[in-house]
Amino acid sequence: GAVVSQHPSRVICKSGTSVKIECRSLDFQATTMFWYRQFPKQSLMLMATSNEGSKATYEQGVEKDKFLINHASLTLSTLTVTSAHPEDSSFYICSARDQEGGGSYNQPQHFGDGTRLSIL
Amino acid sequence: GNSVTQMEGPVTLSEEAFLTINCTYTATEYPSLFWYVQYPGEGLQLLLKATKADDKGSNKGFEATYRKETTSFHLEKGSVQVSDSAVYFCALGSHYNQGGKLIFGQGTELSVKP
Repeated sequence: GAVVSQHPSRVICKSGTSVKIECRSLDFQATTMFWYRQFPKQSLMLMATSNEGSKATYEQGVEKDKFLINHASLTLSTLTVTSAHPEDSSFYICSARDQEGGGSYNQPQHFGDGTRLSIL
Repeated sequence: GNSVTQMEGPVTLSEEAFLTINCTYTATEYPSLFWYVQYPGEGLQLLLKATKADDKGSNKGFEATYRKETTSFHLEKGSVQVSDSAVYFCALGSHYNQGGKLIFGQGTELSVKP
């Protein structure tokens, strides 16, 4: 089955540090990947849609300069949390949709295992 | 716009009990519907899906039928196990969703006691 690898699984760092999270589709190509943030006991909040070879589309209220997204290839998207602060601590999850079948909305998204980010 | 509503949790059941988690949706067209499961500390895993009315998705003993007339996609399992304890998300996919994103319900936490 389709596998999405997300790395690292856990990060603990000091305030002011920039943190990069990688999301890779291992056995399929993904023109579009999605980045979510999840608070405890809550649903997923879509932060941005990452498009290969073009700028990401951010959801309302998400700071583009704070959460930098790069989607340089059909199998890799990265999220960089710049100058992270304690309020950025959260669980970040990426997903990707298989391009087979045109990557249509009928195709499910495949999720990474998430990254637990803790800013001290 | 499109939306998904799930029954609130937590749901607590004894092992081998019957499970139903309700999910209803609002959409201006015929979306695709998904159930995802999230185990503690992990990402989401696709549990099952249905892409058109009357389709039944099934996997690992779980089932859900796409009901257009009631705009529902309820998740059921005949006999739950302790290992089914997780959070379950109902989701809707539609080409009307900007950027092809999924619309998620709020999630329902299931706790199965031995």
